[in-house]
Amino acid sequence: SQTIHQWPATLVQPVGSPLSLECTVEGTSNPNLYWYRQAAGRGLQLLFYSVGIGQISSEVPQNLSASRPQDRQFILSSKKLLLSDSGFYLCAWSPGQGYSPLHFGNGTRLTVT
Amino acid sequence: AQSVTQLGSHVSVSEGALVLLRCNYSSSVPPYLFWYVQYPNQGLQLLLKYTSAATLVKGINGFEAEFKKSETSFHLTKPSAHMSDAAEYFCAVLIGNMLTFGGGTRLMVKP
Repeated sequence: SQTIHQWPATLVQPVGSPLSLECTVEGTSNPNLYWYRQAAGRGLQLLFYSVGIGQISSEVPQNLSASRPQDRQFILSSKKLLLSDSGFYLCAWSPGQGYSPLHFGNGTRLTVT
Repeated sequence: AQSVTQLGSHVSVSEGALVLLRCNYSSSVPPYLFWYVQYPNQGLQLLLKYTSAATLVKGINGFEAEFKKSETSFHLTKPSAHMSDAAEYFCAVLIGNMLTFGGGTRLMVKP
């Protein structure tokens, strides 16, 4: 069966520091991968999605970037965090073909101080 | 472009009462629709999905949803609320690879 791992679960970082959140999927090949952010009172916002290695689509301009160095690995990064980057970050995957729901990781709670 | 609207950011029901969470969608093509549940500080868990088969879809934990094309709705219901149903619920529409979420509805269950 497929599983998705996301870490760390919580993170407190000062303004201006770098960020790296990692997500890996097991038990499937060539998944679609997604990063969402959930800020207080703002619902779920799609940040990035990827349909293959090195293929990243950005949905909103921001202080963040994403990379997919391996088929089942998706990394969310920032060179310098802003206070507004605080939130709950969720990684998700779906099969590469067909209309299937997304499956989510347990999320990372990021607090920028 | 597709979108999802959830009416009511907060819904409160008594334990044992009917749960009704509203979702309306806008889509130029036949939609694939989903309901997810999120417990505090956790990821989203799929409750149920509509993929153009039966219009009444049954999901986990006793929830079900009915797709009504004429009303562009996909409301989530449960006959009798439990305390454990307290969570945030998200309706979503999938077009191609893109999943668009509604703003979410926080369900509170009173004893």
